Formats: sequence, C-alpha cells, structure tokens
Amino acid sequence: EPEVTQTPSHQVTQMGQEVILRCVPISNHLYFYWYRQILGQKVEFLVSFYNNEISEKSEIFDDQFSVERPDGSNFTLKIRSTKLEDSAMYFCASSEAAHGDTQYFGPGTRLTVL
Amino acid sequence: GQQLNQSPQSMFIQEGEDVSMNCTSSSIFNTWLWYKQDPGEGPVLLIALYKAGELTSNGRLTAQFGITRKDSFLNISASIPSDVGIYFCAGQLDQFYFGTGTSLTVIP
Repeated sequence: EPEVTQTPSHQVTQMGQEVILRCVPISNHLYFYWYRQILGQKVEFLVSFYNNEISEKSEIFDDQFSVERPDGSNFTLKIRSTKLEDSAMYFCASSEAAHGDTQYFGPGTRLTVL
Repeated sequence: GQQLNQSPQSMFIQEGEDVSMNCTSSSIFNTWLWYKQDPGEGPVLLIALYKAGELTSNGRLTAQFGITRKDSFLNISASIPSDVGIYFCAGQLDQFYFGTGTSLTVIP
C-alpha cells in the first residue's frame, strides 16, 4: 500500500542552526501538508501546499519556516534558525484532492533542538 | 484557531469492554476524521466522515458525523490490548484542526 515517508526519523541540532526535514508524499497525491506535535500535545497544522505554492498557513508558520517541492517526489520543510521551542515531532501528510479529502500521514521526524 | 474539545481525556478499561469517545466544537466542520497514534509514530487514519448524520464502521470501530456538524463520536466495541494508544479527532474547515486526544489504556 502506498505510504508517506519521512527522513530523517530523528534530527538533533544546535539552536540557531538550519534544518531541512524531508518527505516523500504518496505519488498520485497533489496536496501536501506539514504538521507539528510538541511532546504530549495535540497535532497542529503548519502549512498546506499545492501547485508549487502555499495555499494555507497557520500563525505558527512564520518567516523562519519555508517549504519547497524541489523535484517531482520530495516535499521539504526548512527551519532557518532553530529555537528550543521548535523541538517537536513534525509530520508530513498528503492527499489526492483538497478540501475534505483524507490526509495520509508520514511516520514523523523528531526534531530536538539543544 | 478552532477549538476541538475531545473527551474523555483518558480511559482505563478492561479488555472486552466497549469504548466511546467524542469530539465537540463551537464551529461547523465539513469533514470529521478519526486517527489513532501510537507512541513515537504518526497518526493513522481510522475513519473519515463527509456528511452530517453519516455513520461509518471499520471493523470494531464505528463513528458518526453529528447532525449539527459540530460534533462526532467514535465507538470501539470489544476492546483488545492493541487498541491502546491516543485517539485524535480532526475537523476540517479551511484546514484541519485536531482535538486534544483521548488516551486509551486496555487492561488485559
């Protein structure tokens, strides 16, 4: 069964460093999403992406964050200058269509900022 | 952002018992989804609901999209140990909003 994959599974970085989290969405899906989940808390929406541009973003997704689809398969989340409070699980998701369509989640990347 | 209130926050039940949890919001949603999350892993979709009043089953799981479109419930019948995990509801409006989760512990 097709699935969303994410790499790395765990990333440890120093505060102020840049990190890039990678996702490979399901191949026929057109809509891509990033979510984060701080330990013990609920999943929070960051951004949605379609047709090579951001379609929605939350207040969490500030200028430190950016997303890109550098080729036909990868979808990346970049955090330019990490802060301690960026430590969380970051989940990528994809869906075939937009509003109302089921999103399938990847296994997540655990980001630890020291 | 939108607030989804999920209850109960946690449940401790005996194997074989039925489980019921629900999600409510002050806003109307177009879609309700229920996910299960195991520790250290991503949410896995259990059931998706697209129409008010819709009742959908997936094995021992049954979920309903409330008539008012402001709530949804998930039932698990005859619980087993592998049902342990955190269950999240998610409602979709302009984006998806997740509930705070229900932590389920099944005692063998």
